[in-house]
Amino acid sequence: EAQVTQNPRYLITVTGKKLTVTCSQNMNHEYMSWYRQDPGLGLRQIYYSMNVEVTDKGDVPEGYKVSRKEKRNFPLILESPSPNQTSLYFCASSRAGQGRGSPLHFGNGTRLTVT
Amino acid sequence: QQQVKQSPQSLIVQKGGISIINCAYENTAFDYFPWYQQFPGKGPALLIAIRPDVSEKKEGRFTISFNKSAKQFSLHIMDSQPGDSATYFCAATRSNYQLIWGAGTKLIIKP
Repeated sequence: EAQVTQNPRYLITVTGKKLTVTCSQNMNHEYMSWYRQDPGLGLRQIYYSMNVEVTDKGDVPEGYKVSRKEKRNFPLILESPSPNQTSLYFCASSRAGQGRGSPLHFGNGTRLTVT
Repeated sequence: QQQVKQSPQSLIVQKGGISIINCAYENTAFDYFPWYQQFPGKGPALLIAIRPDVSEKKEGRFTISFNKSAKQFSLHIMDSQPGDSATYFCAATRSNYQLIWGAGTKLIIKP
């Protein structure tokens, strides 16, 4: 089954404790992206990757890191989480970008709480 | 100029009624307008999309109406069903790399 898998689904952590949210896709997609979803703000892009070893900042990259060492994996790293990073996070992939003919496929989300 | 404004924030419709969600944009360079549907506990999924060279696109009970001169587009759900209860996001893009999202509309269909 074609899918984007995120882990964990739920994560509660404390301020400053480094964490990684994993994302993996099995569709051989070149494009991958991370979003955070907050009430009233919709989806905001954190980072995206056009291909292996190619990453770029989205709208809200501060406090986050990513890497794309393999085509299928795109982990999101929070080196020193803070309470304002409490949010619902989504990983997505597509064949090529976010434009016409290339719909985004989303994972089921990771709900992160930073205390 | 980069914003997509979506309204209403929430909407309650009786079963069998018509649900209408509106979006407005400023950037005339946008050339692709998708709608995504998100059920609780799931990620968004593409529902329907339109390009600015057509004024309407219909897929089953879902229709996008596009008004290029007013820079507005809307999603109409005919014969709304309880299974349509979800959050709906409009979006717009002029490139392959940056999708501008609306804030979302939580739709509840009452049986």
